[in-house]
Amino acid sequence: AQSVTQPDIHITVSEGASLELRCNYSYGATPYLFWYVQSPGQGLQLLLKYFSGDTLVQGIKGFEAEFKRSQSSFNLRKPSVHWSDAAEYFCAVGLYNQGGKLIFGQGTELSVKP
Amino acid sequence: DVKVTQSSRYLVKRTGEKVFLECVQDMDHENMFWYRQDPGLGLRLIYFSYDVKMKEKGDIPEGYSVSREKKERFSLILESASTNQTSMYLCASSYHATRDGYTFGSGTRLTVV
Repeated sequence: AQSVTQPDIHITVSEGASLELRCNYSYGATPYLFWYVQSPGQGLQLLLKYFSGDTLVQGIKGFEAEFKRSQSSFNLRKPSVHWSDAAEYFCAVGLYNQGGKLIFGQGTELSVKP
Repeated sequence: DVKVTQSSRYLVKRTGEKVFLECVQDMDHENMFWYRQDPGLGLRLIYFSYDVKMKEKGDIPEGYSVSREKKERFSLILESASTNQTSMYLCASSYHATRDGYTFGSGTRLTVV
């Protein structure tokens, strides 16, 4: 079955430390890939997206993500985390044959220690 | 920027009430979606619509219906609210969902008592 997996439900990092959030998908073809962020009590905001081209994608708020076809992964990274990055992060994929819908992972909650 | 506006941030309703959640977008998007979000379950698609007066069931449509009489407005209806429908409801819209992703509203946190 087609799926999107975020293996880490909750991650805690220290402010200033680097961050990597994992995302794996299971589809036959390369899908459109997205990362969203959700601050507490808010809707989701698009951080970045990828379909083709350079496999390292830059997004807003200093985030980047790297697509690795061999690993079916699209991990989100940030070199130095700020306290304001504490939020929930969702990976999503989209395929044409899904009728234009996005499929979301379960989300990873990020906590930032002072 | 595209704006997706959900009419209420917080709602408290009684069991058995008919509940309307409204969503309006201002960028002429054809595609609109309703999700519910629950801890540990992520986002689950309730209904979506690709055009006016058109609707498709998502993964969890039971207990819900939708209405799309105008392109900019997509309403979610709880015919008879139950406590297990207490949740965060998120509306989203897109011109081309697969290519562009969604724009989300701020969400409506519904409590059914």
